[in-house]
Amino acid sequence: DQQVKQNSPSLSVQEGRISILNCDYTNSMFDYFLWYKKYPAEGPTFLISISSIKDKNEDGRFTVFLNKSAKHLSLHIVPSQPGDSAVYFCAASASTDSWGKFQFGAGTQVVVTP
Amino acid sequence: GAVVSQHPSWVICKSGTSVKIECRSLDFQATTMFWYRQFPKQSLMLMATSNEGSKATYEQGVEKDKFLINHASLTLSTLTVTSAHPEDSSFYICSASASGRREQYFGPGTRLTVT
Repeated sequence: DQQVKQNSPSLSVQEGRISILNCDYTNSMFDYFLWYKKYPAEGPTFLISISSIKDKNEDGRFTVFLNKSAKHLSLHIVPSQPGDSAVYFCAASASTDSWGKFQFGAGTQVVVTP
Repeated sequence: GAVVSQHPSWVICKSGTSVKIECRSLDFQATTMFWYRQFPKQSLMLMATSNEGSKATYEQGVEKDKFLINHASLTLSTLTVTSAHPEDSSFYICSASASGRREQYFGPGTRLTVT
């Protein structure tokens, strides 16, 4: 049962434009969310997090938005750069679950074109 | 900060042998470490969670006698794949989180190929 879904397997965006990655979840107990970036044959790199007490968190070019009622979060990258080409995973956890246990989405492959 | 290393980065072993993968947190104390497996073009599958000094908690469907996890210190966890078979070939990734923090920091992964 996939509790975290990234329905877009891939996204192509032009350099300098905004990349918007979406993530939906089904478990209303999830209260902490992370976004990771992953290059092939490497471990994921932590990008940004958001707690359910917030609806937005910003860090440099990365902004995460959380819509609890819709059980939806999105990651905005602006401006997109060629080095942003990677697979992006969203992950969610519930404080009622084992500490630090996250459910991961299937990932979205982002390709930034010149 | 928050650097996690894994060793080896890749390993080839023969069927029936055992392989040990190390995961180290280099600049923080990892009270909890996680082991994941990733199949090609798929998401990360959590295998087990280990807390320092305690037995690991395995996810459903993961054989604890086959995937031995030891978290002997606050900076080191090991995963031993025992009696490896070709179907164990995969990309294994560890992650670590510090006390009181929910963010996980991932190692670079280990590519295991069983021939």
